[in-house]
Amino acid sequence: QTVVTQEPSFSVSPGGTVTLTCGLTSVSVSTSYFPSWYQQTPGQAPRTLIYNTNTRSSGVPDRFSGSILGNKAALTITGAQADDESDYYCVLYMGNGISVFGGGTKLTVL
Amino acid sequence: EVQLVESGGGLIQPGGSLRLSCAASGFTVNSNYMSWVRQAPGKGLEWVSVIYSGGTTYYADSVKGRFTFSRDTSKNTLYLQMSSLRVEDTAVYYCARIGSAWSFDYWGQGNLVTVS
Repeated sequence: QTVVTQEPSFSVSPGGTVTLTCGLTSVSVSTSYFPSWYQQTPGQAPRTLIYNTNTRSSGVPDRFSGSILGNKAALTITGAQADDESDYYCVLYMGNGISVFGGGTKLTVL
Repeated sequence: EVQLVESGGGLIQPGGSLRLSCAASGFTVNSNYMSWVRQAPGKGLEWVSVIYSGGTTYYADSVKGRFTFSRDTSKNTLYLQMSSLRVEDTAVYYCARIGSAWSFDYWGQGNLVTVS
């Protein structure tokens, strides 16, 4: 059973920078897992932010960026705004059509 | 404009069956990889299944043998046939298109299935 790990919660001050991570329990995350990131607010469908590690989806502000940091995929929000307060999910592609979501990070902006 | 509209959810007893539909517009489902993702109440997202453009399907272990992903190209509609439903299948089910690099680029609005 593959487990994708994310911080359960994170807090950032308005205007601050925060980096959320996405890891695997036994191996390093690389670009070969095609990490992608999604933002979800309560009652809404997820919104695609980043795909293929670091490509921003259409219309996503450039304060959102993706990368590989050490052995994890990372989503960095630079200059956090109040409406960035959401749940963030990463997804890793495992091959054979199978994708695995992380447990999500609840981001608070205060 | 790409749109995905799910329907068919509702309340069903454990052990029962239900079929979800996802009507697509703005693109053709048989030219794309498509997926179902679910979210139990208050929980995170869980990948459920994928169908390739060629028709090959894959499933999460949690639904394998109970759920079937299919499509009707004449209606440009996807289906998720769910059987032997369990309480733990209670969730909002989203259909999503798979775009570049295995990302989910378009999502439906979600459809609630309650098994109780």
